[in-house]
Amino acid sequence: TQTVSQSDAHVTVFEGDSVELRCNYSYGGSIYLSWYIQHHGHGLQFLLKYYSGNPVVQGVNGFEAEFSKSDSSFHLRKASVHWSDSAVYFCAVSPSNYQNFYFGKGTSLTVIP
Amino acid sequence: GPKVLQIPSHQIIDMGQMVTLNCDPVSNHLYFYWYKQILGQQMEFLVNFYNGKVMEKSKLFKDQFSVERPDGSYFTLKIQPTALEDSAVYFCASSLGQGGNTLYFGEGSRLIVV
Repeated sequence: TQTVSQSDAHVTVFEGDSVELRCNYSYGGSIYLSWYIQHHGHGLQFLLKYYSGNPVVQGVNGFEAEFSKSDSSFHLRKASVHWSDSAVYFCAVSPSNYQNFYFGKGTSLTVIP
Repeated sequence: GPKVLQIPSHQIIDMGQMVTLNCDPVSNHLYFYWYKQILGQQMEFLVNFYNGKVMEKSKLFKDQFSVERPDGSYFTLKIQPTALEDSAVYFCASSLGQGGNTLYFGEGSRLIVV
């Protein structure tokens, strides 16, 4: 059984602050980990993904995420947020030998200008 | 970037009626998905589809649900008959291949069953 846990339902920060959105997963095999962003009223858009190699992966708009096997985590970070980063962020797990994506419950990020 | 189009964007329907949600996936993609989202919460997987067949479906994919993509046209989700609990936003997605290929989502079809 695979699970994806996003411990924070809501995060609120000020513009210019750094932010970390947490994602922990449980899966026994080889997987892809990814983050998607959903602006209000729209579909999800891909941010970044990790499969192997450098555990820190860079995404669009200054986002990065770091994989930790020991912690079973794939946290998303941004050094300085902008008000337009306000959205819901979804972490997803995809088994490497299979085509399906299992999403966490999402973290709603609010950036106060 | 690549676009997935969904028609209709909104639909209100009487309980018990049939509804068909249409999806035009990215042109060279081979895998198609439907997800259900209620009140902006978790994206719940419904079904994925490849080479004309359902590959996997979740418990949410009730017997009243069906999917098809006849002759490379729209990838459709049909609900017959609809129930009140089917009210949600339904997202279509497509991907090129397996194993973590990026999902491309449409803007969603908001279904309200009254």
